[in-house]
Amino acid sequence: DQQVKQNSPSLSVQEGRISILNCDYTNSMFDYFLWYKKYPAEGPTFLISISSIKDKNEDGRFTVFLNKSAKHLSLHIVPSQPGDSAVYFCAAKESNFGNEKLTFGTGTRLTIIP
Amino acid sequence: GAVVSQHPSRVICKSGTSVKIECRSLDFQATTMFWYRQFPKQSLMLMATSNEGSKATYEQGVEKDKFLINHASLTLSTLTVTSAHPEDSSFYICSARRDLSNQPQHFGDGTRLSIL
Repeated sequence: DQQVKQNSPSLSVQEGRISILNCDYTNSMFDYFLWYKKYPAEGPTFLISISSIKDKNEDGRFTVFLNKSAKHLSLHIVPSQPGDSAVYFCAAKESNFGNEKLTFGTGTRLTIIP
Repeated sequence: GAVVSQHPSRVICKSGTSVKIECRSLDFQATTMFWYRQFPKQSLMLMATSNEGSKATYEQGVEKDKFLINHASLTLSTLTVTSAHPEDSSFYICSARRDLSNQPQHFGDGTRLSIL
């Protein structure tokens, strides 16, 4: 049972435009969400996170939006740059004491077209 | 720069061999490290949580005698795939997090294991 879903395996966006990556989850106990970026032959790199007490978190060109009622989050990248081409993973966890287990989605491959 | 180092990056060996993979946190102490496995076109699946100075916690369906985990220091965890078989071929990746609340996990670059 896939508790974190990224339904778009790939996405192509023109350089300079906005990239929107989506993620849905089914476990209502998840209360902390993270986005990781992965280049080929490298491990995932932490990008941005959001707690369920917020609905938006912004860091430079990256903004994550959380809609708890819809169990949906999205990552916005604006403006998109060629270096943003990578696979993006959404991850979620329950923040009860001592639990650090992350549940990952299957990833979305983002390609920025120059 | 990388904060978690994983070694080796690739292993090709014969069936029946045991393979050890190392995961090091480079500039921070990590009481807890994590081992994941990823099959092609699938998500990272947590195999076990490695706890410094105590036994690892394995996820359901992961054989603890097959995948031996040792976390002997605050900066090193090892995963040993014992008597590996072709079905163990996969991408194994570790992560570590700083011992502070709500710190993200930082990942190594992974190990591609191929069993012939």
